[in-house]
Amino acid sequence: QLQLQESGPGLVKPSETLSLTCTVSGDSISSSSDYWGWIRQPPGKGLEWIGSVYYSGTTFYNPSLKSRVTISVDTSKNQFSLKLSSVTAADTAVYYCARQGLRRLVLVTDSWGQGSLVIVSS
Amino acid sequence: SSELTQDPAVSVALGQTVRITCQGDSLRSYSASWYLQKPGQAPLLVIYDKNNRPSGIPDRFSGSSSGDSSSLTIAGAQAEDEADYYCSSRDNSGDHMVLFGGGTKLTVL
Repeated sequence: QLQLQESGPGLVKPSETLSLTCTVSGDSISSSSDYWGWIRQPPGKGLEWIGSVYYSGTTFYNPSLKSRVTISVDTSKNQFSLKLSSVTAADTAVYYCARQGLRRLVLVTDSWGQGSLVIVSS
Repeated sequence: SSELTQDPAVSVALGQTVRITCQGDSLRSYSASWYLQKPGQAPLLVIYDKNNRPSGIPDRFSGSSSGDSSSLTIAGAQAEDEADYYCSSRDNSGDHMVLFGGGTKLTVL
């Protein structure tokens, strides 16, 4: 059974870099059919896609965040990671890691982690 | 265009049928998927590729599309269906490989 678990600091200071890791169990991150993504949800608001990565390292980023985001994959640890630089209070959100499948050129998010609340505050 | 638009709130009487819609130019070319999210929980995929249900999703959930709109229909809504519903797809250019609608709060009366 697939499980995704986010880990990382729950509190980040403004202007610093938010770093989260997603550990995947029950599936290989090197699966040729899967992409791995990060999605966030500010308190009381909707979902926002941050970006996605393929095991080869190919990435897709939300244009509105692209200048600050790096998503990488570590196949040896079956993990993928998110780095978001120069954070502000607007980056406070629950951050979800997820598995995504490409279906007719559309990335479908079929499994989600439980989410990790990250607060940006001094 | 890189937007998917949903009505903020919809209500339905218990046992009745409700349709939740999503509108966006890219839906003319690309299929929508639908997620439900209950308070404090991660979203759950209920429909993908227009009208496919993942294992374990009740058959009262169905999807359809026409032109620039896609819809999620719940036939015989149950109390446990009360949740936020999000549509998702992509944009036409590929800049946004994943787009989410703003979400619809479904209330079951």
